[in-house]
Amino acid sequence: EDKVVQSPLSLVVHEGDTVTLNCSYEVTNFRSLLWYKQEKKAPTFLFMLTSSGIEKKSGRLSSILDKKELFSILNITATQTGDSAVYLCAVYGNQGGKLIFGQGTELSVKP
Amino acid sequence: DAGVTQSPTHLIKTRGQHVTLRCSPISGHKSVSWYQQVLGQGPQFIFQYYEKEERGRGNFPDRFSARQFPNYSSELNVNALLLGDSALYLCASSSTLAGRFGEQFFGPGTRLTVL
Repeated sequence: EDKVVQSPLSLVVHEGDTVTLNCSYEVTNFRSLLWYKQEKKAPTFLFMLTSSGIEKKSGRLSSILDKKELFSILNITATQTGDSAVYLCAVYGNQGGKLIFGQGTELSVKP
Repeated sequence: DAGVTQSPTHLIKTRGQHVTLRCSPISGHKSVSWYQQVLGQGPQFIFQYYEKEERGRGNFPDRFSARQFPNYSSELNVNALLLGDSALYLCASSSTLAGRFGEQFFGPGTRLTVL
């Protein structure tokens, strides 16, 4: 059965810290891995990584996909209180429009 | 441009009742997917509709049904509500059946509480 597992489930850090969020997956016919940020309701899109193992960067956020070891990491440097959110990892396995999500990592950044 | 819109934002129902949730995709998007997110969990796939046809169904009972209209908006219907149906229901749209490698854009969700 396809599954996506994220760790840790929750994390508390102070402003300025660097955090690493983990996502491992077992999905048939993997095509892409997506990271979303969920603050209140709607998950907002952060990154999409395809099977080519590309590292993505956007400001203080970066993500790497290791398709050999079947995992991805999301790094956030110089964290700010506005980074407090649930970070969701999802995998697309070429099954129509179905995204398979992990449980999410709840990040809390204290001032 | 407007993003994905959903209505209502909140809904309170009692067990056994029926509920209809609505979603309008991003303009030009033809695919709508529905997800259920229980508190503390990641979203779980319910349905995908593309060009008014069901293209995917998750592991949900037959009490859940959906449809897509000619303008690509969609409704999710849930019959005989159970307490366990209390969740955030998310709608996501993409431009094609699979988006750009599965990329989907989510609406703000409908918070359903079943008492």
